[in-house]
Amino acid sequence: GDSVTQMEGPVTLSEEAFLTINCTYTATGYPSLFWYVQYPGEGLQLLLKATKADDKGSNKGFEATYRKETTSFHLEKGSVQVSDSAVYFCALSDPGGSARQLTFGSGTQLTVLP
Amino acid sequence: AAGVIQSPRHLIKEKRETATLKCYPIPRHDTVYWYQQGPGQDPQFLISFYEKMQSDKGSIPDRFSAQQFSDYHSELNMSSLELGDSALYFCASSSDRGRGYTFGSGTRLTVV
Repeated sequence: GDSVTQMEGPVTLSEEAFLTINCTYTATGYPSLFWYVQYPGEGLQLLLKATKADDKGSNKGFEATYRKETTSFHLEKGSVQVSDSAVYFCALSDPGGSARQLTFGSGTQLTVLP
Repeated sequence: AAGVIQSPRHLIKEKRETATLKCYPIPRHDTVYWYQQGPGQDPQFLISFYEKMQSDKGSIPDRFSAQQFSDYHSELNMSSLELGDSALYFCASSSDRGRGYTFGSGTRLTVV
């Protein structure tokens, strides 16, 4: 079945540092890929997405490129801020398959220190 | 813009009681999904509905049931509650066949 493997956390960075959170996936079809962010006590917010190979999703300085050859969707940001502290989830769905629900990775806790 | 509305935001129940969680999807979204997120865990898919019919089933216990009504809102019914049911329950809706989802803020259920 479909699965998502995320870099384990927690990750602690200083403000303005470069961020990479690795995400790889296994899917039988041609999945869509997502990054969600969850702030403490809040719901899941879509950060960015990509629906086909070589697409780059970007939002709020975050980027991720859909790499079919390496089955990866790594999240990057050039300069993190304290306000980026949250849990980040990589997820996939298989729109062409019979089940279209999201499959999530285990989440990566990011803490950015001033 | 309208979002996915969940109610209640917080719910405290005792063991063996029953709970009902409600979800109001974004208008014209044809699919509703329910997820359970335990403390420090990733969201786990429970069940989904497409055009008011059950579409897919995940790791939903037999004690739980769900349905989608004619106005497209959905309810998750949970009976014989156990301490381990304490979690954040999210509803999400989608209109584009798995390429986009909008999540509600969740219902935090605490079983004591």
